[in-house]
Amino acid sequence: AQSVAQPEDQVNVAEGNPLTVKCTYSVSGNPYLFWYVQYPNRGLQFLLKYITGDNLVKGSYGFEAEFNKSQTSFHLKKPSALVSDSALYFCAVSLASGGSYIPTFGRGTSLIVHP
Amino acid sequence: EAGVAQSPRYKIIEKRQSVAFWCNPISGHATLYWYQQILGQGPKLLIQFQNNGVVDDSQLPKDRFSAERLKGVDSTLKIQPAKLEDSAVYLCASSLVGQPSYNEQFFGPGTRLTVL
Repeated sequence: AQSVAQPEDQVNVAEGNPLTVKCTYSVSGNPYLFWYVQYPNRGLQFLLKYITGDNLVKGSYGFEAEFNKSQTSFHLKKPSALVSDSALYFCAVSLASGGSYIPTFGRGTSLIVHP
Repeated sequence: EAGVAQSPRYKIIEKRQSVAFWCNPISGHATLYWYQQILGQGPKLLIQFQNNGVVDDSQLPKDRFSAERLKGVDSTLKIQPAKLEDSAVYLCASSLVGQPSYNEQFFGPGTRLTVL
C-alpha cells in the first residue's frame, strides 16, 4: 500500500526567507509525485509534479521540489517566501494499483509566512 | 476555460437523511474523481471514473455511498442514509484523458456537508 507523510502540521517562516515543506512517501514501485496548494476559501490547485527525469522540478509561483529516491522524499521549496504564500499545502503520490492509478494525499501542512 | 463546477456549496442535513452532490468537470477531461476531506485531513479518494466507467472505488463505502457518471461528463455522488461521520467537504476533480497518473487534477470548490 502506498502512503504519504507530511511530518509538520505547520511551518512558520519570515517573509523573504527560504521555505521548505516536507513530504516523504512509501510505495513499492516508481512513484508519481505532486504538490497542491489550497488557499483560504479556494479549491485545491496544482503546483508541480515529478514523473521522471530531472530530480528538481519547477512549478507555479516560484516553487520547486526535489525528488530524492534514496530518502523517499519530495520536499517543496521556495528561495524567498511571500506573505501571499500562506496556505495549506498537500503532497500526493500516484501509483499503479491493480491496473489503475490511485492518488493518495498527505494530511497537509499549513504554511504561515510572517511579514 | 471554465473550471470544475460543484453544487451545492453547502448542505446541512440530519442523520439518516439522504443527500446528493453534483459535479461538472472541465470540458474534455475524461477522468473524474470524488474525494472526501474531513477537517484536518488530506483528501481521501472515494471513486475514480474514466469516461463513464469506474476505475477504482475501493474506498467508497458502498453500503451508503453511490456515484454515477452516466454520459461520461457530469457526475452525481449520493449518500443514503447519512451518518454523523460523513460530515466533510466533498471535492470533485478532473484530469485529461490518458494516463491519469501523468496528469494533474483540477479541483472544484467543494461541497461542505454537515450532518446533525
